[in-house]
Amino acid sequence: EAGVVQSPRYKIIEKKQPVAFWCNPISGHNTLYWYRQNLGQGPELLIRYENEEAVDDSQLPKDRFSAERLKGVDSTLKIQPAELGDSAVYLCASSPGLNSPLHFGNGTRLTVT
Amino acid sequence: GESVGLHLPTLSVQEGDNSIINCAYSNSASDYFIWYKQESGKGPQFIIDIRSNMDKRQGQRVTVLLNKTVKHLSLQIAATQPGDSAVYFCAECAGGGNKLTFGTGTQLKVEL
Repeated sequence: EAGVVQSPRYKIIEKKQPVAFWCNPISGHNTLYWYRQNLGQGPELLIRYENEEAVDDSQLPKDRFSAERLKGVDSTLKIQPAELGDSAVYLCASSPGLNSPLHFGNGTRLTVT
Repeated sequence: GESVGLHLPTLSVQEGDNSIINCAYSNSASDYFIWYKQESGKGPQFIIDIRSNMDKRQGQRVTVLLNKTVKHLSLQIAATQPGDSAVYFCAECAGGGNKLTFGTGTQLKVEL
């Protein structure tokens, strides 16, 4: 079984530039998550999708962050414009249903200079 | 790759010894718990989970203990190996939903 695939693995941009991350979840997993992980901390949820519907985006900074999951499969997370404090690892995860383990990708490490 | 374990609590054990990693969770309504292992440059990897109707669950070389009275979770790793070196996170989920909240990680270092 292929795992959660994320790209790119690394991204370096200057502040005020836009950036986008892409995620392909495990086949058949209806629930998709975006987490952000700062150095030395646990992942923090940004947004959760059930199929194509965002069911929990309360932690997403909506002034600059946006996400979409067209057709309920792949997802993209965008930041525009990026700020220095956005430097972190952005993790995508998927799960088959309620109270099931989340399966994580290897993340995109974003550095904003 | 850059470690995600900087500034984390650290547990050092000798190869072959047993490891115990502890976690205090915050939400008394949490009913599902997961332990994850995270190696440098990788995403968290599922190790073992437990539901609130259980107090112990065993896997291959790992055991999770749940004490709901004091809201405490532990992960025991038997015969710790160098490949077990990583950051370990506990995560809790409340109310039957799928919102997983992660705790502070612990860096496990296995000394040869």
